[in-house]
Amino acid sequence: DGGITQSPKYLFRKEGQNVTLSCEQNLNHDAMYWYRQDPGQGLRLIYYSQIVNDFQKGDIAEGYSVSREKKESFPLTVTSAQKNPTAFYLCASSILRGGNQPQHFGDGTRLSIL
Amino acid sequence: RKEVEQDPGPFNVPEGATVAFNCTYSNSASQSFFWYRQDCRKEPKLLMSVYSSGNEDGRFTAQLNRASQYISLLIRDSKLSDSATYLCVVNSPTGNQFYFGTGTSLTVIP
Repeated sequence: DGGITQSPKYLFRKEGQNVTLSCEQNLNHDAMYWYRQDPGQGLRLIYYSQIVNDFQKGDIAEGYSVSREKKESFPLTVTSAQKNPTAFYLCASSILRGGNQPQHFGDGTRLSIL
Repeated sequence: RKEVEQDPGPFNVPEGATVAFNCTYSNSASQSFFWYRQDCRKEPKLLMSVYSSGNEDGRFTAQLNRASQYISLLIRDSKLSDSATYLCVVNSPTGNQFYFGTGTSLTVIP
């Protein structure tokens, strides 16, 4: 089946530790995105990428890093500099051309601090 | 000013009721509009795109009002399974970003 796969589903981080969230898509979508959602709040954009080897900061990029070495993959690293990482992380992808193209989401990763 | 604003609700309606949500957006050059549904602790799922002439999918009707910069979602004959948070999403004019409202919570009561 075509789709977006995020792993792991649940992740726990210790103080001072970097952790990496995986996002893979087999939809042949050009663009990929990372969002963070806190309880009772909307989605906030962390990073996005429209093409391999290029990515842009979103509204809350501090404390996070990404890479886009392959079209299918857009991993997110939550660094120790992110002091409040507990949240629901959502990866999405979309086609860039053709107009009115929606985003499709993976089923998310819940990150908590130990 | 936020790019997209929604009334968070909650909306509590009886089964069979008709309910409508509105969402306003700030950038008049926005071109693409969507409604997503998000269940508790799950990812958002596309409910429907919103087209300029309005569009319908079963019990759901979406409308776009460019002059007043809002989109709406109408749900007829509400079912218990419609209980969820409904997210309004607007694409940036350049097409490279999506702006999400904070969502409107709907609970359909037996």
